Amino acid sequence: EIVLTQSPGTLSLSPGERATLSCRASQLVSVNFLAWYQQKPGQAPRLLIYRASSRATGIPDRFSGSGSGTDFTLTISRLEPEDFAVYYCQQYGSSPLTFGGGTRVEIK
Amino acid sequence: QVQLQESGPGLVKPSQTLSLTCTVSGGSISSGGYYWSWIRQHPGKGLEWIGYIYYDGSTYYNPSLESRVTISRDTSKNQFSLKLSSVTAADTAMYYCARDQGAYTIEYWGQGTLVTVSS
Repeated sequence: EIVLTQSPGTLSLSPGERATLSCRASQLVSVNFLAWYQQKPGQAPRLLIYRASSRATGIPDRFSGSGSGTDFTLTISRLEPEDFAVYYCQQYGSSPLTFGGGTRVEIK
Repeated sequence: QVQLQESGPGLVKPSQTLSLTCTVSGGSISSGGYYWSWIRQHPGKGLEWIGYIYYDGSTYYNPSLESRVTISRDTSKNQFSLKLSSVTAADTAMYYCARDQGAYTIEYWGQGTLVTVSS
């Protein structure tokens, strides 16, 4: 199975700052089938990005995804108060589907 | 708008079988192209994909759980279900049902249901 390693584990930033989250895969992610989710306490994950760089329905354009192959990045251009949460990457190009361990974005 | 809702016991004894049902509204589980999935999240931890049942009834499970997992469906009730046998404390988790759209991956999730394995 493909192992996804997210870094950093925790990102401490202030509102208005730029957040850059990394996701590295142990093998090539087929067809760049890499997604990003946001999860807040007590809630289910929310899809932000699919196919590495496509925003899901209703996702603000401050969220962007990039990368290919084994290295992927989620960028939040200017953090809003509601963006402080845990972010997971997921690959769905190979079975079984796997998730990264998450990056917590916290208020500095 | 598709909605999913998990239901089932919140407490299961060790060695017994965990059984959960997901009721889907706003779309048929028999319509083409969708994978009706189960995913779990151990307390304070990351996400683990359990498996899915495709719109045509075929199933696929995570190899790490395959020997203990069965996913089935009842199209007349628009529901799909999860059974996990021989549970231990390590199966204590929040269990989510979700709709996977293949190339567009998992966009719709249930709210989740916490299952605790304890005697």
